[in-house]
Amino acid sequence: DTGVSQDPRHKITKRGQNVTFRCDPISEHNRLYWYRQTLGQGPEFLTYFQNEAQLEKSRLLSDRFSAERPKGSFSTLEIQRTEQGDSAMYLCASSSGQENTGELFFGEGSRLTVL
Amino acid sequence: RKEVEQDPGPFNVPEGATVAFNCTYSNSASQSFFWYRQDCRKEPKLLMSVYSSGNEDGRFTAQLNRASQYISLLIRDSKLSDSATYLCAVNIGGGSYIPTFGRGTSLIVHP
Repeated sequence: DTGVSQDPRHKITKRGQNVTFRCDPISEHNRLYWYRQTLGQGPEFLTYFQNEAQLEKSRLLSDRFSAERPKGSFSTLEIQRTEQGDSAMYLCASSSGQENTGELFFGEGSRLTVL
Repeated sequence: RKEVEQDPGPFNVPEGATVAFNCTYSNSASQSFFWYRQDCRKEPKLLMSVYSSGNEDGRFTAQLNRASQYISLLIRDSKLSDSATYLCAVNIGGGSYIPTFGRGTSLIVHP
């Protein structure tokens, strides 16, 4: 399968714990995005990488959230001291710089439940 | 005002019906427009891009109205399998490669 893969698919954690999600984009894509989606809402932008550089972060991304893409390939999104409001689907997407800007390929998401 | 707005619906239509959704955007500098489809508990998948001249893909037609700042999606001869949430996405361009999504419009096609 050469699509975007995310791990884990589901994570249940207690409030205050740290969680980390991993995203492996399509191999030739240099742009990688993290979005968050809650029930009844569209995906909300969190952060964006071009290669290994984190170029933009949403103000939604509090200091408890950190994302990395150390070698310009896979990315991790860590949430520290989780809160119940962090419960959501965390979607990773990738795109190639050669494509029409805005066409994203999404992974199946990592669903986080904070108890 | 939200950057991208959609009527959440649901739009409940019989098979064979024609249904249309609109999506308004607030930034007049927006340059790229897209419709995504999202099935229940699945990831969004690109349905079609929206070009200035409008474009059609089978039963689906997308149009852009820059003057009124909205895009539309028309689905003809609705199928049960068209039941999904339709998300519009807008990219302001100009070096920004970050699409902003609407909340989606839910479509339910019934027999």
